[in-house]
Amino acid sequence: QKEVEQDPGPLSVPEGAIVSLNCTYSNSAFQYFMWYRQYSRKGPELLMYTYSSGNKEDGRFTAQVDKSSKYISLFIRDSQPSDSATYLCAIDTGGFKTIFGAGTRLFVKA
Amino acid sequence: EAGVAQSPRYKIIEKRQSVAFWCNPISGHATLYWYQQILGQGPKLLIQFQNNGVVDDSQLPKDRFSAERLKGVDSTLKIQPAKLEDSAVYLCASSRSEEAFFGQGTRLTVV
Repeated sequence: QKEVEQDPGPLSVPEGAIVSLNCTYSNSAFQYFMWYRQYSRKGPELLMYTYSSGNKEDGRFTAQVDKSSKYISLFIRDSQPSDSATYLCAIDTGGFKTIFGAGTRLFVKA
Repeated sequence: EAGVAQSPRYKIIEKRQSVAFWCNPISGHATLYWYQQILGQGPKLLIQFQNNGVVDDSQLPKDRFSAERLKGVDSTLKIQPAKLEDSAVYLCASSRSEEAFFGQGTRLTVV
């Protein structure tokens, strides 16, 4: 079993839609969860992070962690064409070592 | 704050040749990483340095890959000899916390 699993998509939605991106992970000891966004031919950049369980909101983006089911989610409200990118869930496994999911390619159509 | 610098941006080599990538991290970042990202996949950690010491190189194919971090700052990643399956983007990142800052990567094509 992989430490973090993510559906690679692609996911195509119309502009203005609510997008839900998800990952599952295997180790219940993990505490620090992140979402990175990667545009084509660019390196990933940190979008949001959450520590332990709960929700975190930043503008149109909400990150959610459910530790009981080992499930992490990213919601994008009022999606825009500029949100088209690959979204990578990531987990710090300790000692600043980060493992990444496969990434979900998102296309937002105008 | 200047970002992570990598060079070259693109490289095409024949199999069995050697290649080297260079990375200059963000000033003050003690931790430096090299990741391999194959098309359609997430980044896979190859090696992690803390200053100039190796923290984790468990997924580095040591028979062909090598990396060093000079004086705890710049780093080079070398592949010798290259195989077709080494075609990927090689990403360098640096951090001083859980957040890693990535360079734009070097896209390697082995033909």
